[in-house]
Amino acid sequence: AQSVSQHNHHVILSEAASLELGCNYSYGGTVNLFWYVQYPGQHLQLLLKYFSGDPLVKGIKGFEAEFIKSKFSFNLRKPSVQWSDTAEYFCAVISNSGYSTLTFGKGTMLLVSP
Amino acid sequence: KAGVTQTPRYLIKTRGQQVTLSCSPISGHRSVSWYQQTPGQGLQFLFEYFSETQRNKGNFPGRFSGRQFSNSRSEMNVSTLELGDSALYLCASSLTGATNEKLFFGSGTQLSVL
Repeated sequence: AQSVSQHNHHVILSEAASLELGCNYSYGGTVNLFWYVQYPGQHLQLLLKYFSGDPLVKGIKGFEAEFIKSKFSFNLRKPSVQWSDTAEYFCAVISNSGYSTLTFGKGTMLLVSP
Repeated sequence: KAGVTQTPRYLIKTRGQQVTLSCSPISGHRSVSWYQQTPGQGLQFLFEYFSETQRNKGNFPGRFSGRQFSNSRSEMNVSTLELGDSALYLCASSLTGATNEKLFFGSGTQLSVL
């Protein structure tokens, strides 16, 4: 069975600091990878996704993630965070053989202080 | 176009009762999936429906069930509620449920079991 591990449950940063959230997955086959974000009081939104091709993917709001197949990792990065990035971030994976069956990590709560 | 709509937004039930949650997908979307979100376990997949058929089921007891209607609207039912069923229940829809499609999430139903 596939699983997703997010390294940090809580991260606190000051505005303008750089962000990197770790994500590792466990699955032997080909997967599609996602980062979702949940702002306070809002629904889950897709930040970015990786299906194939360039392992460095860019998403909305200046976020990017790098897929490193050899490390089974898909870390999320942002060079300079803003207070409005305060949210919970979820890494997720779908195996290519499955339907809309996302396996999520447990999430990382990011708090950005102004 | 309207997003994924979940009703009710909040529910309070007592142990032993049953509950039914409703999800209306985005118009034209035929795949509906359900997730349970708790602080301890994060987001966990419950089941996925397409054309009134359950295609995939997560690792939840039989007390959790669902169905999909011909208009793609879906309901999930939890019988004999337990305290541990308190959670945010999220519904997501996509066109066909293919792994390369974007999932659109609703705002969820917050269930509290007392």
